[in-house]
Amino acid sequence: GAVVSQHPSRVICKSGTSVKIECRSLDFQATTMFWYRQFPKQSLMLMATSNEGSKATYEQGVEKDKFLINHASLTLSTLTVTSAHPEDSSFYICSAWHDLVRGAFFGQGTRLTVV
Amino acid sequence: GENVEQHPSTLSVQEGDSAVIKCTYSDSASNYFPWYKQELGKRPQLIIDIRSNVGEKKDQRIAVTLNKTAKHFSLHITETQPEDSAVYFCAATDNNAGNMLTFGGGTRLMVKP
Repeated sequence: GAVVSQHPSRVICKSGTSVKIECRSLDFQATTMFWYRQFPKQSLMLMATSNEGSKATYEQGVEKDKFLINHASLTLSTLTVTSAHPEDSSFYICSAWHDLVRGAFFGQGTRLTVV
Repeated sequence: GENVEQHPSTLSVQEGDSAVIKCTYSDSASNYFPWYKQELGKRPQLIIDIRSNVGEKKDQRIAVTLNKTAKHFSLHITETQPEDSAVYFCAATDNNAGNMLTFGGGTRLMVKP
């Protein structure tokens, strides 16, 4: 199998607080994981590439100090949205690259609402 | 970097008809082309993929074709069913350069019963 679990699926937080989202590959090891943001009725926008044991690579325009990524093990990457603001409200979704299958599998996504 | 264009953005077909979605890519180094199906509020699910060493791949009612020379690939769904209704995304990447997928804009497929 190739199961990726993302938690929480929904979170509501107050403006100015931080939120951590976890992405776990349950039955395979993932050297590389990816974090996306998806706006309603739009495609997936890559935010950053997360590599186990090294610093994440952020896409142009994505603030690395606001969206902290940690990939401490071969099965877990976390995205922390720091000092969240209403404009950060979105659907955040991760994917994990399966080295053996050579394909990417997605978590179920996290709907973040900042009030 | 890679740029992936996807057409059409919306597609409405009658149940039982075929649906075709087309994508073009810009980076000739890309060698892996997956297709994902995303239902409303859910995760994208990998439905079929093709690598640059083959021109066509089929899995039951779905097939993908790849033209490396023209840099385009297509998804074909035959005998469409209402449960095929979803948003479909194509993507492309170079497996030798980090596996970062670049996605097309998506196609909203509606299958009318």
